[in-house]
Amino acid sequence: GQNIDQPTEMTATEGAIVQINCTYQTSGFNGLFWYQQHAGEAPTFLSYNVLDGLEEKGRFSSFLSRSKGYSYLLLKELQMKDSASYLCAVAPSGGSYIPTFGRGTSLIVHP
Amino acid sequence: EPEVTQTPSHQVTQMGQEVILRCVPISNHLYFYWYRQILGQKVEFLVSFYNNEISEKSEIFDDQFSVERPDGSNFTLKIRSTKLEDSAMYFCASSSGTGSEKLFFGSGTQLSVL
Repeated sequence: GQNIDQPTEMTATEGAIVQINCTYQTSGFNGLFWYQQHAGEAPTFLSYNVLDGLEEKGRFSSFLSRSKGYSYLLLKELQMKDSASYLCAVAPSGGSYIPTFGRGTSLIVHP
Repeated sequence: EPEVTQTPSHQVTQMGQEVILRCVPISNHLYFYWYRQILGQKVEFLVSFYNNEISEKSEIFDDQFSVERPDGSNFTLKIRSTKLEDSAMYFCASSSGTGSEKLFFGSGTQLSVL
């Protein structure tokens, strides 16, 4: 089985940087996804990491350490529109390949 | 950009009634999924579908649920006899591959069972 843990809620100021952490335990690993979900809307893909290290994509970066079962999503130059839930999802391997989602971190960006 | 479309956006039904939720996945995708999200809770996997058959299903996907691809474009989720606890947002998703491929989600159907 899988266990995914993220903080429930975070707040940050417009223009600042915020790091959202995700720790996971899984019997097989085939990558970790981050999705963004605005209230009442569908999740949308942000990033995918399968190797250790940092992947940068504009204002958003995602980091993975497989040995520590740890990932973070880094959001720079925060904008009000970044207020959303950020979902960490782990793809297993061997048997099931279906990503399992964490509970999500609700990020509130204030002026 | 291609998108997954779902209808209806909202569905209200009485307990015990049957509902069918409809989805049109992205046309060149091969893998289709249904997820649900109860208000304030996490996105939960229900079922995946590939090559015209169920490839995986979760414990939630019991005998009251079924999926079908009635033609080349639609993908449906049927709930045979709805219960109060089936009230949730149901998301359809599709992907070009499995495992490492990202999911494209539809905008969801909000199901309310009264």
